[in-house]
Amino acid sequence: DGGITQSPKYLFRKEGQNVTLSCEQNLNHDAMYWYRQDPGQGLRLIYYSQIVNDFQKGDIAEGYSVSREKKESFPLTVTSAQKNPTAFYLCASSIAGPINEQFFGPGTRLTVL
Amino acid sequence: AQKITQTQPGMFVQEKEAVTLDCTYDTSDQSYGLFWYKQPSSGEMIFLIYQGSYDEQNATEGRYSLNFQKARKSANLVISASQLGDSAMYFCAMRQRISRANTGNQFYFGTGTSLTVIP
Repeated sequence: DGGITQSPKYLFRKEGQNVTLSCEQNLNHDAMYWYRQDPGQGLRLIYYSQIVNDFQKGDIAEGYSVSREKKESFPLTVTSAQKNPTAFYLCASSIAGPINEQFFGPGTRLTVL
Repeated sequence: AQKITQTQPGMFVQEKEAVTLDCTYDTSDQSYGLFWYKQPSSGEMIFLIYQGSYDEQNATEGRYSLNFQKARKSANLVISASQLGDSAMYFCAMRQRISRANTGNQFYFGTGTSLTVIP
């Protein structure tokens, strides 16, 4: 089945450690996105990528980094510079077309201990 | 400025009744898209319905319909015949082109409305 996978579902990290969240899609979508969701808030864009080897900062990119070496993969690294990393992280992808809806992965809940 | 505004943090509806979730948006673009997503407690985002800015008819998908009032910049979601499984967070979102030179899109989300269906 085509879709987006994110792993792990739950992630715990000690303060000061970097951690990488995985996002893989087999939908052959060109664009991929990372969002952060905090309780009571909507989704805020961290980074997005429209094509391989290219990505752009979103609204809250500080303390995060990404790479897009393959079309299928868009990993997000939460660095120690991110002051409040505990949140729910959602990865999405979309394809050019009349609707362009985003398809989302199941999310990763990151908790900093 | 907020691109998407959802003014109802929480809503209750009796099972089998209809409910309207409000959404207003802010853009000066002529071409844009409006979406509604459902987020159950499991966290996944489920696409419900889409309305293009040039679409003259209101979008419908089963029990979901989108009440699109372009002049008022509103895109309210109407759920008819509510079911217990409709209890979830609902997000309104807008797709805009990033720039004239760039064919990519950016998406903006509202803060969501928590819907509870009462038996």
